[in-house]
Amino acid sequence: NAGVTQTPKFQVLKTGQSMTLQCAQDMNHNSMYWYRQDPGMGLRLIYYSASEGTTDKGEVPNGYNVSRLNKREFSLRLESAAPSQTSVYFCATLRQGSDEQYFGPGTRLTVT
Amino acid sequence: EDQVTQSPEALRLQEGESSSLNCSYTVSGLRGLFWYRQDPGKGPEFLFTLYSAGEEKEKERLKATLTKKESFLHITAPKPEDSATYLCAVNYGGATNKLIFGTGTLLAVQP
Repeated sequence: NAGVTQTPKFQVLKTGQSMTLQCAQDMNHNSMYWYRQDPGMGLRLIYYSASEGTTDKGEVPNGYNVSRLNKREFSLRLESAAPSQTSVYFCATLRQGSDEQYFGPGTRLTVT
Repeated sequence: EDQVTQSPEALRLQEGESSSLNCSYTVSGLRGLFWYRQDPGKGPEFLFTLYSAGEEKEKERLKATLTKKESFLHITAPKPEDSATYLCAVNYGGATNKLIFGTGTLLAVQP
């Protein structure tokens, strides 16, 4: 039972490159979230998915797209990376019937 | 506008020296206030949820309390393993459980 897994752990991109951050969970949770964490800014919600095939914007969605093709996986895509997207990205899930979010270990992304 | 402010930004304690962390919030209709612990290089780990003024929850050396404008995380007789960043968040999304986080308090407990 791995919980929430994220790949890759680290990534360096050049400005303008694209990439997809992957998140997978084996807890059968319906809701999934993508956050970014920056020094002095705290965690900020990028996108949210209540269930397979549904997504909704959070506080800071510009420059990102998401995909929830099945219950287990929720991916975050950067189409044209910018230095302002340098951050640590966390995926989280929500256990049904509770308010407790489970976070993955994070992906540290640097855009040069 | 919904907002969460934590203080202090950093706190250094001696082992056994009790203290409190503060989280003040402004939100239109509180649907839950959350405390998380985050260790370096890891994702946040859930500690508590509080829903109404006067509510208290405890876990080992930690106790969270809630008023209409703020929450406190009391740490009694801390140990070095309590060193971490403590994050406060409020639910602004209702059933969707969308959270707004504060910037955290970095706690260092020295032996």
